[in-house]
Amino acid sequence: AQSVTQLDSHVSVSEGTPVLLRCNYSSSYSPSLFWYVQHPNKGLQLLLKYTSAATLVKGINGFEAEFKKSETSFHLTKPSAHMSDAAEYFCVVSDTGFQKLVFGTGTRLLVSP
Amino acid sequence: DAGVTQSPTHLIKTRGQQVTLRCSPKSGHDTVSWYQQALGQGPQFIFQYYEEEERQRGNFPDRFSGHQFPNYSSELNVNALLLGDSALYLCASSLADRRQAAFFGQGTRLTVV
Repeated sequence: AQSVTQLDSHVSVSEGTPVLLRCNYSSSYSPSLFWYVQHPNKGLQLLLKYTSAATLVKGINGFEAEFKKSETSFHLTKPSAHMSDAAEYFCVVSDTGFQKLVFGTGTRLLVSP
Repeated sequence: DAGVTQSPTHLIKTRGQQVTLRCSPKSGHDTVSWYQQALGQGPQFIFQYYEEEERQRGNFPDRFSGHQFPNYSSELNVNALLLGDSALYLCASSLADRRQAAFFGQGTRLTVV
């Protein structure tokens, strides 16, 4: 079975500093990987996706992620945090076949002024 | 282009009652999946509908059932509600290809009292 592990439950940064949210995955197949963001009491918004094309994936709002097969990682980064980035972030792997999404436990990003 | 729409946004039900949640997928999408997100947790896959049939199911009891209509919209039904069914229920629509990203609605907040 495929799974993802988000290594930090909470990450705190100051506005203007870099963001790193860590994710490791487990997959027997060539995985499809995604990062989603969830603002309080909202649905999930797609940030970016990896589907076996370029290993460095650029997403919305300045976020990007690098797929590293040797490390089974898919970490999310942003060069400079903004207050509006404060939210819950989910690393997600797509199951084989019919696109069942398997979510990590989430990382809450806190951004201080 | 309307995204994924869910109704109602909030719902309060009593233990033992039945509930129906509704979802209209993003235009052009033919696959609808339902997820349950308990407070403080990542979403858990309930089931997926494609061509009006349940294609894949997660680890949820038979009290959870669904339907997909010819226009691709979907319903989630939960019978004999338990307090533990209180959660945010998310609908995701996509194309029938695991490499394609799923788009989520804003969710229905169900509270069982």
